[in-house]
Amino acid sequence: GENVEQHPSTLSVQEGDSAVIKCTYSDSASNYFPWYKQELGKRPQLIIDIRSNVGEKKDQRIAVTLNKTAKHFSLHITETQPEDSAVYFCAGNSGNTPLVFGKGTRLSVIA
Amino acid sequence: SQTIHQWPATLVQPVGSPLSLECTVEGTSNPNLYWYRQAAGRGLQLLFYSVGIGQISSEVPQNLSASRPQDRQFILSSKKLLLSDSGFYLCAWSGGGREKLFFGSGTQLSVL
Repeated sequence: GENVEQHPSTLSVQEGDSAVIKCTYSDSASNYFPWYKQELGKRPQLIIDIRSNVGEKKDQRIAVTLNKTAKHFSLHITETQPEDSAVYFCAGNSGNTPLVFGKGTRLSVIA
Repeated sequence: SQTIHQWPATLVQPVGSPLSLECTVEGTSNPNLYWYRQAAGRGLQLLFYSVGIGQISSEVPQNLSASRPQDRQFILSSKKLLLSDSGFYLCAWSGGGREKLFFGSGTQLSVL
């Protein structure tokens, strides 16, 4: 089955700097890769996703890139703000099984 | 639009007591339904998922069980809670493609 590895587990950045979180997956048949943001005590919420036929997708300060050959994808947050502080989860799936999540990255944006 | 309801928000139960958490989805039919557990500061562990009424797939062995008595209702149960059952329980739903997952607001369960 699919296995998703996520790095780093914790990340601290200065406000205004960029943050990058990386994930690798094992199943070459996986074709959908979402990212979720979870604030303390709240539910995870989908912030951006990408399908395997696209290499990059942007939504304001957030972007996701996908390298199918290397089987890795990354979340990029530019001009970080304190409200970006949260735990971020990547995930992947091949359509016939539930999403497989990475273990999460705790991002702290220091003002 | 679709909404997912999960209750209660918090629950404190003694060891050995039963458990019943309920989740309902509105605004869609035949959703895929999921139960996840999250230990403090940890990742999302898939416990059960269901693709239809009466169809339950279990991902990990434990003293929990799930049932889907109606199309948009998913229930997580236990006959006797253990200390290790403490955690943040999240119900979620997705459409037929099992892609975009939408989570309920969660239940913080403390077993004492």
